Amino acid sequence: GENVEQHPSTLSVQEGDSAVIKCTYSDSASNYFPWYKQELGKRPQLIIDIRSNVGEKKDQRIAVTLNKTAKHFSLHITETQPEDSAVYFCAAVTNSGYALNFGKGTSLLVTP
Amino acid sequence: GAVVSQHPSRVICKSGTSVKIECRSLDFQATTMFWYRQFPKKSLMLMATSNEGSKATYEQGVEKDKFLINHASLTLSTLTVTSAHPEDSSFYICSASMTGTPRITGELFFGEGSRLTVL
Repeated sequence: GENVEQHPSTLSVQEGDSAVIKCTYSDSASNYFPWYKQELGKRPQLIIDIRSNVGEKKDQRIAVTLNKTAKHFSLHITETQPEDSAVYFCAAVTNSGYALNFGKGTSLLVTP
Repeated sequence: GAVVSQHPSRVICKSGTSVKIECRSLDFQATTMFWYRQFPKKSLMLMATSNEGSKATYEQGVEKDKFLINHASLTLSTLTVTSAHPEDSSFYICSASMTGTPRITGELFFGEGSRLTVL
């Protein structure tokens, strides 16, 4: 099945700095790559997603880039704020085209 | 946006008993729902894909007789942890896509999760 690797596992940045989280996937047929934010004890929430026909997508302070050839995609958060602190998961769709396989998560801490 | 509700949010049970967790799509029909398991500070591990009106598809290593899944209607899927043991203690989260396939069009909406503690 689809294998998603995510780095780093933890990331600490100062408020106002940028944060970058990277993921790689194994199934070249995957074509949907969402990013989820999960706060402690809460459900994951979609923050941005990208499809394989697009190389980059931006939504205010959040952007995602996709390199299909290299099979990796990245999340970029600019002007980070303390409320951005959470665990972020990347995901890619499985061979079946139904469920998502998630990376192991990145715990982001934004310090004031 | 689409709402997925999960119940109960927390459950504590004795070893050997069975526990049922419900997952409902409140404002849309979900032909397919997904059950994930999450250990503390770990990722979401796909357990099974629940298909309305048919048998669930289990991921490798997940015991189908241990984790019974029923998807009797377009808005309800249930996960029953049978003969629970302490190692089954975990956070179980269900999810659903409005279109059934996030690959095609839709995002995955998650329930609130159910924290199971087996004593």
